[in-house]
Amino acid sequence: QKEVEQDPGPLSVPEGAIVSLNCTYSNSAFQYFMWYRQYSRKGPELLMYTYSSGNKEDGRFTAQVDKSSKYISLFIRDSQPSDSATYLCAMNQAGTALIFGKGTTLSVSS
Amino acid sequence: DAGITQSPRYKITETGRQVTLMCHQTWSHSYMFWYRQDLGHGLRLIYYSAAADITDKGEVPDGYVVSRSKTENFPLTLESATRSQTSVYFCASSEQKNIQYFGAGTRLSVL
Repeated sequence: QKEVEQDPGPLSVPEGAIVSLNCTYSNSAFQYFMWYRQYSRKGPELLMYTYSSGNKEDGRFTAQVDKSSKYISLFIRDSQPSDSATYLCAMNQAGTALIFGKGTTLSVSS
Repeated sequence: DAGITQSPRYKITETGRQVTLMCHQTWSHSYMFWYRQDLGHGLRLIYYSAAADITDKGEVPDGYVVSRSKTENFPLTLESATRSQTSVYFCASSEQKNIQYFGAGTRLSVL
């Protein structure tokens, strides 16, 4: 079983839709959870960062961590064409290397 | 400019040649990392450095060499490039090992 699993998609939604992106993981020791957004031919940029369990909201983006299920989610409300990108989840425990999911490609059509 | 910069952005080379990819950060972050990104594999860690003169292997270090004589620079060298090293290479930096900030990447083609 891979440490971090992420459905590669592609995921296609119309403008204004609510998008749900997810990752599962196997290491219960993971404490730090991140979502990165990567536009085509660009480097990943940090979108959301959560420590341990719970929710975090930033504008149209909400990150959720459910440690009991080893499941993290990123929700995008009122999705825009500019949200079209690949979304990477990443996680680790203190002092260890960051483990990335393979990324989900999202396309938002106007 | 503040941030993390990689050079060159694009590089074409031939098998057997030595290639060095450069990475420079202006944040004075302790940690620096090199990843490669390939379809089907995602981001894979090649090497990382916790401070000047301290480096350690990641998941896929074979065929690569790194050095870190100054905190702000972390060059990656392919000593004898192979076609399997054709990839997009990303440098990242962080104050700790979790939140990492990435450069724009170097697209390397080995012919």
